[in-house]
Amino acid sequence: GNSVTQMEGPVTLSEEAFLTINCTYTATGYPSLFWYVQYPGEGLQLLLKATKADDKGSNKGFEATYRKETTSFHLEKGSVQVSDSAVYFCALSDMDTGRRALTFGSGTRLQVQP
Amino acid sequence: GAGVSQSPSNKVTEKGKDVELRCDPISGHTALYWYRQSLGQGLEFLIYFQGNSAPDKSGLPSDRFSAERTGGSVSTLTIQRTQQEDSAVYLCASSQNSNQPQHFGDGTRLSIL
Repeated sequence: GNSVTQMEGPVTLSEEAFLTINCTYTATGYPSLFWYVQYPGEGLQLLLKATKADDKGSNKGFEATYRKETTSFHLEKGSVQVSDSAVYFCALSDMDTGRRALTFGSGTRLQVQP
Repeated sequence: GAGVSQSPSNKVTEKGKDVELRCDPISGHTALYWYRQSLGQGLEFLIYFQGNSAPDKSGLPSDRFSAERTGGSVSTLTIQRTQQEDSAVYLCASSQNSNQPQHFGDGTRLSIL
């Protein structure tokens, strides 16, 4: 079956620090990969996506590259802000198997201190 | 607004009662999904609709859970004879079609006393 593994949180950083949140996946087919973000008291928002190997998704200074050889989709940002404090979810969808639903990782809480 | 709308935002009910949760997807989105977010289980898929039909119901945890979608738009998730373990945030998402990214509503927080 499909699964997504994320690094345990919380991740606590100072403002302007470099961020990496690791995500690896297992999939039967050739999945599309996503990062969603959930700000305090809000719903899930799509942050970025990639649909094929070596694609780089980017948005709001965040980036992630689809690495088929390592089955990874790590999230990075060069300089975090306090406003980036949220829970980040890595997810996949696996159209090859007809599975339209998203499979999520357990989420990683990021706390950015001023 | 233009986003996915869910109601109610909060629901508190007694064990054994039935509850109905509503989702209004983004206009024109043919695919609709229900998920559940709980502390112990993370984000779990419940059911997927394409139009009015549900080709994937594999995530529904028991026969107390059912969902329908009418007119290719609004969907309701019904939980019968609620149990305390049903307490969670129920999230609805929609997408233009099943190949497009999913957009989520703010969820319904369900608390079973």
